[in-house]
Amino acid sequence: GEDVEQSLFLSVREGDSSVINCTYTDSSSTYLYWYKQEPGAGLQLLTYIFSNMDMKQDQRLTVLLNKKDKHLSLRIADTQTGDSAIYFCAEAQNYGQNFVFGPGTRLSVLP
Amino acid sequence: DAMVIQNPRYQVTQFGKPVTLSCSQTLNHNVMYWYQQKSSQAPKLLFHYYDKDFNNEADTPDNFQSRRPNTSFCFLDIRSPGLGDAAMYLCATSRSGTRDTQYFGPGTRLTVL
Repeated sequence: GEDVEQSLFLSVREGDSSVINCTYTDSSSTYLYWYKQEPGAGLQLLTYIFSNMDMKQDQRLTVLLNKKDKHLSLRIADTQTGDSAIYFCAEAQNYGQNFVFGPGTRLSVLP
Repeated sequence: DAMVIQNPRYQVTQFGKPVTLSCSQTLNHNVMYWYQQKSSQAPKLLFHYYDKDFNNEADTPDNFQSRRPNTSFCFLDIRSPGLGDAAMYLCATSRSGTRDTQYFGPGTRLTVL
């Protein structure tokens, strides 16, 4: 599959908003996902967005989708120290034949 | 609670000594996946089962095998672990295909001595 791209690192101060960006490749991808991975743990599904949506909000999380630019973002409002983790963007490429993860963005929340 | 369970959470084996990792699910999902995740990297799909149909990724080494005796259980067998196989192994399930949302277990961290 083609590469899904993300910035590798992001640092924010506690209480600020975090925005994690992702560029995907397959315009046929139906669902796009955000997963969170804390140290030594598995991947926790945070949220997902269907490709016919532009935005999805779930409490402190807002997902924005720009299909034209194949750009996905995850905004975390009022970032807390417990949000420190690696965040993976993922897409189901090739009409669902390949599930591809980005490299992950390590979010560090500074006090 | 319905979930994906992996045992053990930590496994230590010796170079060349076969090891089996296990995964079970209470979600009654049709598809089960095994991923390998090395430090600071994205998970890499090794193979998946759609019901009893086994689907191997093209670049998965022959050293890695899998068994799915029933809907609930799936095993990852590493026949002759090398030092390069030390990694986190993640099991995931989805209802009916890779297009569907995948739910992950907590992972098994494998150390090869």
